[in-house]
Amino acid sequence: AQSVTQLDSQVPVFEEAPVELRCNYSSSVSVYLFWYVQYPNQGLQLLLKYLSGSTLVKGINGFEAEFNKSQTSFHLRKPSVHISDTAEYFCAVRGGGGFKTIFGAGTRLFVKA
Amino acid sequence: DTEVTQTPKHLVMGMTNKKSLKCEQHMGHRAMYWYKQKAKKPPELMFVYSYEKLSINESVPSRFSPECPNSSLLNLHLHALQPEDSALYLCASSQRDNVLTFGAGSRLTVL
Repeated sequence: AQSVTQLDSQVPVFEEAPVELRCNYSSSVSVYLFWYVQYPNQGLQLLLKYLSGSTLVKGINGFEAEFNKSQTSFHLRKPSVHISDTAEYFCAVRGGGGFKTIFGAGTRLFVKA
Repeated sequence: DTEVTQTPKHLVMGMTNKKSLKCEQHMGHRAMYWYKQKAKKPPELMFVYSYEKLSINESVPSRFSPECPNSSLLNLHLHALQPEDSALYLCASSQRDNVLTFGAGSRLTVL
């Protein structure tokens, strides 16, 4: 079975500052890892994914994440945030070959002017 | 077309009503999902259809009844719901890369 822990429920940050949203996972099998973003009153949208290969993955809107197998982490980073990045961010894990995507509890990113 | 379309966007129903939520995708995805999301919580998986056959039912109460009429459509039939069933219901689809494409959701209120 897989599980996901997002270490911060809320992250307030000033505009143009860097941000890191932390995610740890556990799994007994190889996994696929994802970050999704949810804006108010909308569905979830894929930011980026790690399936295999390079451990540094780049996504939309200037976000990137690094897969660290030894630390079982998949932290999301952005060097300079905008007000429009204010949203809920979900880290997710899926076992290879399965249909179940397990979501973390979410991190609310609040960007202040 | 890279969208998942859900209707209606909002639904208010009484506990004795029968209603349906609809979901449509034209990306050729062969797996379709229903998720339930309560406020300030992550999505919780309810059902998965793979090649139009029910693959996963996460012990969902029988007052929720899924249906997959064809590879593009997914319905969720609702009957005798409880107020605690009020939530955002999200439809998603996926292909082999395992990435979920979500619709905007149907916000359900049960009175």
